[in-house]
Amino acid sequence: NAGVMQNPRHLVRRRGQEARLRCSPMKGHSHVYWYRQLPEEGLKFMVYLQKENIIDESGMPKERFSAEFPKEGPSILRIQQVVRGDSAAYFCASSPQGHLSSYEQYFGPGTRLTVT
Amino acid sequence: KQEVTQIPAALSVPEGENLVLNCSFTDSAIYNLQWFRQDPGKGLTSLLLIQSSQREQTSGRLNASLDKSSGRSTLYIAASQPGDSATYLCAARRLMDSSYKLIFGSGTRLLVRP
Repeated sequence: NAGVMQNPRHLVRRRGQEARLRCSPMKGHSHVYWYRQLPEEGLKFMVYLQKENIIDESGMPKERFSAEFPKEGPSILRIQQVVRGDSAAYFCASSPQGHLSSYEQYFGPGTRLTVT
Repeated sequence: KQEVTQIPAALSVPEGENLVLNCSFTDSAIYNLQWFRQDPGKGLTSLLLIQSSQREQTSGRLNASLDKSSGRSTLYIAASQPGDSATYLCAARRLMDSSYKLIFGSGTRLLVRP
C-alpha cells in the first residue's frame, strides 16, 4: 500500500508564475490536509478537504492560494503569481476519515517550492 | 486558540545518553497529541500518538507521556544513538475542532554525537 504521494518533490518558479502542487492520498483515504513549513519553523495548517468539498480553509492566505480535491484524481494546491515569501515546504497528509477517531494523519514527503 | 511550544529548540548530547524533549500546549481540551520525527529535507514520520484518555505510549526506546491538566507532553528517548539525530515535532489535535487539523510546535533539533 503506497503512502501519500506528492509531486513534484522540488519546484522552482520565478516571481509571478503559477505553482501547482499535487497530492495523492493513501488508498482508501478520503480526507486531505495541506500544511506549510517555512524555513526554521514548524508546520502550519492551511486547508482541509474531503472529496469535492473544502471543509476548513482557515489557514489559507486570502489571495493567490486555492485548493481542490476532485472526485477523481489528486488534490491540488495552486499558488498564483508566486512571491519569494511563498518559498517553503508544502506537506500533504491524508486520513481515512475526519470524524473524531484514533486515525492518524499520514504525511507525504513534501514539495519544496523555491521562488526566484 | 491552541498554541504549542517545544523546548529546547536545539539539543546536543553524546551517544548513549537518555534525554527528554518537552512539548507544552495552551488549551488542555485536546483529542490527541502526536510526536513526529523529521529528517533534513524529508517528510514527517509519526513516532507516537497519545489519545487524551491515555497517560503514555511506548515504542522501543521511545516513551511519550501526556499530562493534560498541566498542558504538557514529554518524549523520552533512551540510550540515544547518532541515528536519532533529527528534528522532533509535537502536534496537538483540538477536541472541539471540526476540521481535526494538527497544531504543531516549532520542533526540537536533536544532535546525538558519536
